[in-house]
Amino acid sequence: SQQGEEDPQALSIQEGENATMNCSYKTSINNLQWYRQNSGRGLVHLILIRSNEREKHSGRLRVTLDTSKKSSSLLITASRAADTASYFCARETSGSRLTFGEGTQLTVNP
Amino acid sequence: GAVVSQHPSWVICKSGTSVKIECRSLDFQATTMFWYRQFPKQSLMLMATSNEGSKATYEQGVEKDKFLINHASLTLSTLTVTSAHPEDSSFYICSAPISSGPSYNEQFFGPGTRLTVL
Repeated sequence: SQQGEEDPQALSIQEGENATMNCSYKTSINNLQWYRQNSGRGLVHLILIRSNEREKHSGRLRVTLDTSKKSSSLLITASRAADTASYFCARETSGSRLTFGEGTQLTVNP
Repeated sequence: GAVVSQHPSWVICKSGTSVKIECRSLDFQATTMFWYRQFPKQSLMLMATSNEGSKATYEQGVEKDKFLINHASLTLSTLTVTSAHPEDSSFYICSAPISSGPSYNEQFFGPGTRLTVL
């Protein structure tokens, strides 16, 4: 598949726990982006990490990028029920084109 | 942050009719916009790249005569699903990248249009 792979496909945790989602890809990238999507809604941009960066933080979100392993991870700390959503990684290649991973459905139980 | 809108947010039509979906960048100019399709419980699939003032670039397997794209201005791209059939029922989402400034390369997505073809 030309799309990136994400794991796990589904993740169910309790409020307060951390959630880690992983993304792998096969070809070189300009940058890798993480998005969130609530059911039936549009996408919300979370973090963009460039190919020369290794880690980025935004609030409770931490993204790492390992270009040698062609993988990235998204960590959500101290999760809340409102974090329940689908999370997608998307790798940007030429011309700002994004190729999305399969996504991880995160459920945070109150 | 930048805002991208889509209209309509949902549409139901009969098989054989054509449906036009608009994508607008509200507070920035977008020489390029992207159109995606998302089937239930699946990821987004890039359909085409819409280029202002020139022809759209379609991804492999996407019929250009069925999905007509017009990028009429720096803030508007339209996707027309011609002679829609039930298998075209999907969630259509557009996006536009920021071409300069601190958010360079960040893409902003519209809220999506849910198309149901009866």
